[in-house]
Amino acid sequence: DAKTTQPPSMDCAEGRAANLPCNHSTISGNEYVYWYRQIHSQGPQYIIHGLKNNETNEMASLIITEDRKSSTLILPHATLRDTAVYYCIVRVGGGGADGLTFGKGTHLIIQP
Amino acid sequence: EPEVTQTPSHQVTQMGQEVILRCVPISNHLYFYWYRQILGQKVEFLVSFYNNEISEKSEIFDDQFSVERPDGSNFTLKIRSTKLEDSAMYFCASSRTSGGVFNEQFFGPGTRLTVL
Repeated sequence: DAKTTQPPSMDCAEGRAANLPCNHSTISGNEYVYWYRQIHSQGPQYIIHGLKNNETNEMASLIITEDRKSSTLILPHATLRDTAVYYCIVRVGGGGADGLTFGKGTHLIIQP
Repeated sequence: EPEVTQTPSHQVTQMGQEVILRCVPISNHLYFYWYRQILGQKVEFLVSFYNNEISEKSEIFDDQFSVERPDGSNFTLKIRSTKLEDSAMYFCASSRTSGGVFNEQFFGPGTRLTVL
């Protein structure tokens, strides 16, 4: 079973920041937080990952609380193309051949 | 930009028939995976493959399933005798290496399998 809890759906206005929360209260010290998204039945797409520090890349920012029990994915200027299901996944870093365990994710709908 | 490709995009088969789903992972990747997603449900891990053998498999990956890397580029999933409940989108993924901390998985566009 997925070790994360996410709201089933969220709305956000186009051009605004979308903040997607994730609870992972049982995360272990060697587990990272990964975010993937799936746009309408396409293959999942990696977004970002982090251990304990906040991370930023060209797609998003990841804010992890100090106790690491929750995190927030931020899409700074959401566009209609960001409408997708967003998955928060915790797993051991590297992971080698480990499969990803997807939960139900958050269905983010960007409103025009 | 390199990408994972999958063929066919849609496969229709009769119950009890064998199907082979094909994937071409990204060329310098070493780890290969299959996932499936039944319509309206979660993406589920099936199997991972490294160094020409299965590394990990889920409970779903029973004796009806097999994987193979028949040459240097293709990675296949075979279902020996399809059931109605095998109808799903099947995603192939690949990742580069276990070296270092991170091992991003790149997913293909999927093959939609319909079992009649």
